[in-house]
Amino acid sequence: GQQLNQSPQSMFIQEGEDVSMNCTSSSIFNTWLWYKQDPGEGPVLLIALYKAGELTSNGRLTAQFGITRKDSFLNISASIPSDVGIYFCAGQLALSGGGADGLTFGKGTHLIIQP
Amino acid sequence: DGGITQSPKYLFRKEGQNVTLSCEQNLNHDAMYWYRQDPGQGLRLIYYSQIVNDFQKGDIAEGYSVSREKKESFPLTVTSAQKNPTAFYLCASRKTGGTEAFFGQGTRLTVV
Repeated sequence: GQQLNQSPQSMFIQEGEDVSMNCTSSSIFNTWLWYKQDPGEGPVLLIALYKAGELTSNGRLTAQFGITRKDSFLNISASIPSDVGIYFCAGQLALSGGGADGLTFGKGTHLIIQP
Repeated sequence: DGGITQSPKYLFRKEGQNVTLSCEQNLNHDAMYWYRQDPGQGLRLIYYSQIVNDFQKGDIAEGYSVSREKKESFPLTVTSAQKNPTAFYLCASRKTGGTEAFFGQGTRLTVV
């Protein structure tokens, strides 16, 4: 299947710091989704992006749909302990028919917050 | 409340046994999916179904089987042919024409 390169793989930060992570691909996407997964739970949708250049916020989270349509970024401001978890990006390929083979997931960014 | 429910939360299987993982949704979504999650591997697609009585293999379908007899239900059977079944299994659903996938809480399967 298609590959999404998500980075960094893991982050060790201090409480209160800002966090940035991104997903890139050689393919063009129509939609970008960002999920958070708590340990032992299913991923929960945080932000959905539908248009190139779009910038969307959800509380302390801000995500952007890259202008080239090949990348997306997620920023978390002023991190708190409950931000710990795995963050996944997912993209809907532009050339897919909208079926399952069009939704591709990154491998995740593990966010660890040190007290 | 509308949502997608997986059961059981934890499942233990002896080698050589088949086990079935349940996934039920009341979101009226047409499409349902099964993913496998291993550490460092991200989410890998096992099977998906876009309509009742139809399903398609994903990237890692070998050793698994599914059925879709009802819109609300998409059970996954892990057969004895799956050589390394220990993993976290996630079920998801999407509405027709939609791009946002919604996930269940997951089932952790362990072979003992």
